[in-house]
Amino acid sequence: AQKVTQAQTEISVVEKEDVTLDCVYETRDTTYYLFWYKQPPSGELVFLIRRNSFDEQNEISGRYSWNFQKSTSSFNFTITASQVVDSAVYFCALRRNNAGNMLTFGGGTRLMVKP
Amino acid sequence: DAGVIQSPRHEVTEMGQEVTLRCKPISGHDYLFWYRQTMMRGLELLIYFNNNVPIDDSGMPEDRFSAKMPNASFSTLKIQPSEPRDSAVYFCASSQRNSPLHFGNGTRLTVT
Repeated sequence: AQKVTQAQTEISVVEKEDVTLDCVYETRDTTYYLFWYKQPPSGELVFLIRRNSFDEQNEISGRYSWNFQKSTSSFNFTITASQVVDSAVYFCALRRNNAGNMLTFGGGTRLMVKP
Repeated sequence: DAGVIQSPRHEVTEMGQEVTLRCKPISGHDYLFWYRQTMMRGLELLIYFNNNVPIDDSGMPEDRFSAKMPNASFSTLKIQPSEPRDSAVYFCASSQRNSPLHFGNGTRLTVT
């Protein structure tokens, strides 16, 4: 069975602080994909990143960075110098290799960035 | 590209009524998904289609829920009869094989 756990249900930071959102996953598959999605207050789900299980290289995109560690089954997301516009619910998700693109989502972390 | 288009954005109905949610996937995408989002259960996959064929409907709550995809550019999710516990945001998403899912803006359903 697959499972994605986002232990932090809510995080509140002040603008310009760095913040890390945790994601821990469970799967028996050797090949799988991990995702992060953002859901701003307007409600839509926005794709942020996808990693496959064979690529543990960390990725940086502007103020966003992702740390994938297979040894601890974690795929954490860090926002550097947070901004008010980063306020949203962030979802981590897992997809099996031959699962027809089905995503299993974590419960989400609500990030509130205060000015 | 217009993205995944869902209608209506909001639906308020009385218990017992039939509700139909609609989705137009991104052209060229051969996978279509219906997800439901609630505070209690988060994002749950209800059903997904590949090339218009339902592949996995194990997430459909009960017989009151049905989904169809008559062609590559249209899908419906129907609830009949609706109940208050069906109140949620319903998302449609589409993708190509091995590509990320693109979500619509969702339909917020309220059953009173």
